[in-house]
Amino acid sequence: GENVEQHPSTLSVQEGDSAVIKCTYSDSASNYFPWYKQELGKRPQLIIDIRSNVGEKKDQRIAVTLNKTAKHFSLHITETQPEDSAVYFCAASTPGNTPLVFGKGTRLSVIA
Amino acid sequence: GAGVSQSPRYKVAKRGQDVALRCDPISGHVSLFWYQQALGQGPEFLTYFQNEAQLDKSGLPSDRFFAERPEGSVSTLKIQRTQQEDSAVYLCASSTVGRSSYEQYFGPGTRLTVT
Repeated sequence: GENVEQHPSTLSVQEGDSAVIKCTYSDSASNYFPWYKQELGKRPQLIIDIRSNVGEKKDQRIAVTLNKTAKHFSLHITETQPEDSAVYFCAASTPGNTPLVFGKGTRLSVIA
Repeated sequence: GAGVSQSPRYKVAKRGQDVALRCDPISGHVSLFWYQQALGQGPEFLTYFQNEAQLDKSGLPSDRFFAERPEGSVSTLKIQRTQQEDSAVYLCASSTVGRSSYEQYFGPGTRLTVT
């Protein structure tokens, strides 16, 4: 089955700097790659996603890139703010409305 | 509109007790997923439904876990004879069909503590 690896497990950046989180997946059939942000004690919130027919997607300060050949995808957050501090999870799923396989998460701390 | 809701939000059970966790998906969402999230870990798949049909239950950790969605809307996850290793947050997510059919929206979770 699918296996999703996520790095780093923790990341500290200065406010205003960029943050990059990377994930790899194993199942070449996977075609949907969402990113979730989870604050302490809260539900995972979908922040951006990408499907395998595109290589990059951007939404304001957040972007995701996908390399299908290498089977990896990355989350880029620019101009980080303290409110970006949270745990971020990448995930992957195969075609159709199928379950997500999550990475282990990255705890991002943005230092003011 | 209303998002995914779950109840109870917190549950403390003595070892050996049975518990039932409820999920109310977004109205009209066809698919419903259950995940288990241990402390400091990512959510892990348990089971999912399309309407009332349970399509995959391969993630259920043991036969003490049972899920149902009899009318294709509300779902219940039942855990019999709870054990300490069942302590976790149980998350429910729902999704629709169509162009955005891959997007899963999560509920707030039920934090289960088995003592």
